[in-house]
Amino acid sequence: NAGVTQTPKFRVLKTGQSMTLLCAQDMNHEYMYWYRQDPGMGLRLIHYSVGEGTTAKGEVPDGYNVSRLKKQNFLLGLESAAPSQTSVYFCASSYRRAGANVLTFGAGSRLTVL
Amino acid sequence: DAKTTQPNSMESNEEEPVHLPCNHSTISGTDYIHWYRQLPSQGPEYVIHGLTSNVNNRMASLAIAEDRKSSTLILHRATLRDAAVYYCILRMNYGGSQGNLIFGKGTKLSVKP
Repeated sequence: NAGVTQTPKFRVLKTGQSMTLLCAQDMNHEYMYWYRQDPGMGLRLIHYSVGEGTTAKGEVPDGYNVSRLKKQNFLLGLESAAPSQTSVYFCASSYRRAGANVLTFGAGSRLTVL
Repeated sequence: DAKTTQPNSMESNEEEPVHLPCNHSTISGTDYIHWYRQLPSQGPEYVIHGLTSNVNNRMASLAIAEDRKSSTLILHRATLRDAAVYYCILRMNYGGSQGNLIFGKGTKLSVKP
């Protein structure tokens, strides 16, 4: 049981390049999330999905797009990377259980934009 | 979600109990109290959660004040592997909740051998 797997773990981009981060979960969770974490700060929600084919904006969605074509996968895309997007990105997933909802996180993807 | 207040950092000695406080004076009656921790260079991991009663699991205990305006995460015997940032988070409990967690800066726990 792998849980939540993120690929790639590390990536260096030049300004203006595009890339996609992949998140895969094998727990049959309905909800999936993308967070970013910058030095000295907590995690901030970028986008989330409450089910296959649906996505919604979180706290800091600008510059990112997402897709959830399959229940187990949640993709985060950067169409034109900027240095401000240098960060560590975490994917998480959970069952749909309101306040008792427990999230399982991936190990993170460290992105550097030069 | 309502706001939580935690100390920026705490220190503990190995094999001693640790009490990590969290204030949440604006908590609503339907908010769950969640604790997550983040070890260095890892993603956050779930520790424990509760609504009104104290809770125990294999990792920790959660003591919730009677008025629910504060809570304490208790690590019964700290180990070096418990050195992490601990986040106290409130989660609204209603059918429309999207389930996301709002993280603050948490408490950085250092454990001395």
